[in-house]
Amino acid sequence: RKEVEQDPGPFNVPEGATVAFNCTYSNSASQSFFWYRQDCRKEPKLLMSVYSSGNEDGRFTAQLNRASQYISLLIRDSKLSDSATYLCVVTMDSNYQLIWGAGTKLIIKP
Amino acid sequence: EPEVTQTPSHQVTQMGQEVILRCVPISNHLYFYWYRQILGQKVEFLVSFYNNEISEKSEIFDDQFSVERPDGSNFTLKIRSTKLEDSAMYFCASKGRQGNQPQHFGDGTRLSIL
Repeated sequence: RKEVEQDPGPFNVPEGATVAFNCTYSNSASQSFFWYRQDCRKEPKLLMSVYSSGNEDGRFTAQLNRASQYISLLIRDSKLSDSATYLCVVTMDSNYQLIWGAGTKLIIKP
Repeated sequence: EPEVTQTPSHQVTQMGQEVILRCVPISNHLYFYWYRQILGQKVEFLVSFYNNEISEKSEIFDDQFSVERPDGSNFTLKIRSTKLEDSAMYFCASKGRQGNQPQHFGDGTRLSIL
């Protein structure tokens, strides 16, 4: 079983639409949770940390359900510049090693 | 905003040669990491480094690989006797002291083994 699983994608979405990404993790000992975005052939960049109470940053909302071991990311009013691969990432141990999902590619169409 | 820097941006090397990938982490960070990403695949953890020693390494990080923090600023990844399958993007990351702080990534080094 994969440690972090994401929707396989790609998602093709018209500009202005709302997009939802889902992620599940297998290890209940996971400690911290993040969404990164990665543009083609670029480094991953932190989009947002995910907190137990849920958190919002502008058009982006992240939710965490520890009981279900489920993380989500919602993008409202999507822009062309949101096109990227979205990576769900968790850490488990004291070394804070990141465990990566395979990513979900998002393509925003004009 | 401070950032992680990596050099070179692209390294082309003959199979069997040794390469050293260099990273300068953010100055007050304490945890350091190397990851790699083969083209079209997911990011994979290689090694973590804390308090001047390796704290964890993956199965990928075998005897062919080594890391050093020689001068308190640079953090290097050495790959000995490179193989074709070592071709990938290699990302360095660093993290501050607090547990839930995210890791910050460098731009990566694209390693091409011929």
